[in-house]
Amino acid sequence: AQKVTQAQTEISVVEKEDVTLDCVYETRDTTYYLFWYKQPPSGELVFLIRRNSFDEQNEISGRYSWNFQKSTSSFNFTITASQVVDSAVYFCALRLFNFGNEKLTFGTGTRLTIIP
Amino acid sequence: DAGVIQSPRHEVTEMGQEVTLRCKPISGHNSLFWYRQTMMRGLELLIYFNNNVPIDDSGMPEDRFSAKMPNASFSTLKIQPSEPRDSAVYFCASSLRVSGNTIYFGEGSWLTVV
Repeated sequence: AQKVTQAQTEISVVEKEDVTLDCVYETRDTTYYLFWYKQPPSGELVFLIRRNSFDEQNEISGRYSWNFQKSTSSFNFTITASQVVDSAVYFCALRLFNFGNEKLTFGTGTRLTIIP
Repeated sequence: DAGVIQSPRHEVTEMGQEVTLRCKPISGHNSLFWYRQTMMRGLELLIYFNNNVPIDDSGMPEDRFSAKMPNASFSTLKIQPSEPRDSAVYFCASSLRVSGNTIYFGEGSWLTVV
């Protein structure tokens, strides 16, 4: 069975600081997909990024960047120059693609608070 | 483009009443998921459908919960009778059934059973 661990329950940083959210996953499958979702105070789940297990290239999107390392089974998320609008709960998730097992398995989330 | 649409957004009901949550997936998507979010258990899958057929309902808590997908553009999650411990946010989500494709979530239905 697959598992996603987000060891950081809550993080607080002052605005403009950089912050990294950790995600460690477990699966025996060689083909899998990793995701990050953002849940702002309004409650919806917003898709941020998807990565497949064959692509370890890091990705940058504006102030957001993701570091995928298969050797350590990690898929970490960094926000550069944080802003108050980044305050939210962030979820890391894993998805396989086996018939009957296509769900997203979520971590427990990291609550990020940006202090103005 | 319209995203996943859920209704009602908020519902408060008395214990013992029937609750029906509704979902319209993104047009063209052929996989639909129902998730529940609570403080204690986080985000957990209740059931998912492929091409309107239930594939995995192992997360459905008990017989009080039932889900249907009569067509590609509509699904319901019903709780009868409701109990206070059913209070949670219920998310519907959909995706195109292609390997690893992104699952997109609705805004959630916030259910309170008193």
